[in-house]
Amino acid sequence: AQSVTQLGSHVSVSEGALVLLRCNYSSSVPPYLFWYVQYPNQGLQLLLKYTTGATLVKGINGFEAEFKKSETSFHLTKPSAHMSDAAEYFCAVRLTGGGNKLTFGTGTQLKVEL
Amino acid sequence: DTAVSQTPKYLVTQMGNDKSIKCEQNLGHDTMYWYKQDSKKFLKIMFSYNNKELIINETVPNRFSPKSPDKAHLNLHINSLELGDSAVYFCASSQRDGGIAGGYTFGSGTRLTVV
Repeated sequence: AQSVTQLGSHVSVSEGALVLLRCNYSSSVPPYLFWYVQYPNQGLQLLLKYTTGATLVKGINGFEAEFKKSETSFHLTKPSAHMSDAAEYFCAVRLTGGGNKLTFGTGTQLKVEL
Repeated sequence: DTAVSQTPKYLVTQMGNDKSIKCEQNLGHDTMYWYKQDSKKFLKIMFSYNNKELIINETVPNRFSPKSPDKAHLNLHINSLELGDSAVYFCASSQRDGGIAGGYTFGSGTRLTVV
C-alpha cells in the first residue's frame, strides 16, 4: 500500500520568501513521486516528478524537490515566492513495478502575501 | 489542441436525475481515470481503464458506471444523483507502463452540483 502525508493544509509566505511544502510518503516498494499544482477552478498541472536517478529534481516555475529515502520525504521548495504561486499543491505517489494508481495527499493551500 | 477534454464543465441537476460526463484524450495514452475531488479538495480515484478494460474500481456506489468505447474515451454515467455526489470530477490519462512513470495529464474538471 502507498500513501502520502502533507504537513500543513495552509502555508502562508511573503512575496520573495522561501517556499517549503512538506510531503512524506509511505510505500512498500521504491516509489515514483510527484508534485501537482491546482490553480483556482482549474485542473491539476504536473510541477515535477521523481522516478530514478538524481534525487534533486527541478520542475516548472522555479520549483524543485528532493527525494530523501532515509526520511521518506519529498519536500517542495522555491527560493523566492511570487504572487502567482498562490494555489493548491498536491504531493502524490505511484508504485514502481506496475500498477498505475496515483495516490494523492490532502493538499496544501499556499498563500503569498505582499 | 486540448490534451484531455471533459464535457460539460459545469453541471447542475436535481436529485434523482441521471447524468453523464464525457472525457476524451488525444495523447495516445492507453490508460484513463476518473477522480473525485470533494469540497475539501481531497482527490480520490474512482476508476481506471486500460485499453477499454477496467483495472481499478475503488469503493464507489453502483450508481456510478464508467464506459470506455475505445482507449481515447472514458465516460462516467451517474444514476439517481444524490446531494453527496456534488463534487468536481476529473478525468486523467497516462501510459500504463510504469517504467517511464510519466505523470497523469488531467482534464480541467466537471463541477457537478446536485440540488
